[in-house]
Amino acid sequence: NAGVTQTPKFQVLKTGQSMTLQCAQDMNHEYMSWYRQDPGMGLRLIHYSVGAGITDQGEVPNGYNVSRSTTEDFPLRLLSAAPSQTSVYFCASSYRGTGEEKLFFGSGTQLSVL
Amino acid sequence: AQSVAQPEDQVNVAEGNPLTVKCTYSVSGNPYLFWYVQYPNRGLQFLLKYITGDNLVKGSYGFEAEFNKSQTSFHLKKPSALVSDSALYFCAVREAGANNLFFGTGTRLTVIP
Repeated sequence: NAGVTQTPKFQVLKTGQSMTLQCAQDMNHEYMSWYRQDPGMGLRLIHYSVGAGITDQGEVPNGYNVSRSTTEDFPLRLLSAAPSQTSVYFCASSYRGTGEEKLFFGSGTQLSVL
Repeated sequence: AQSVAQPEDQVNVAEGNPLTVKCTYSVSGNPYLFWYVQYPNRGLQFLLKYITGDNLVKGSYGFEAEFNKSQTSFHLKKPSALVSDSALYFCAVREAGANNLFFGTGTRLTVIP
């Protein structure tokens, strides 16, 4: 059972480049989300989805796009990378019931924008 | 609005001593409270949660947390610390009925042999 799989693990971009961070889960979870982790800031929510075809913004959505065409996949797109987007990115998923569910996290993507 | 505060960036404790990692929260309605742990170069792992019921919640690896509604706190505790407990600990809150989980800034726990 793979759980939540993120690729790539590391990425270096130049300012202005675009890329997609991949996230896939095999637990049939309805809820998926993307967080970024920065020193002293904890984890901040970028975008989330409560099911296929449904996405919404979190705390820090600017500069990022998401889509949810299937239950399993939730890619995060950086349209024009900026140095401020240097961070560690985590994808997480859970069942959607009464909100009591724990999140399952991927192992993260470390992104550097030069 | 939901928010979580972890007032200590760093906690050091000697192996075998009890440990406490502090967390306070703010929500409009009933809170769902969680603790997660992050080991180096890993994603976060669930430790325990409080939804309702007994104020003392027991979780993985011998950790427990006490929910205190009057003080709006959810401190993480362990009676006897191990060196292997050294990690980054995050408190998180979700207001009942809300979609998303909000995390604190994290507390780095170092257990000294």
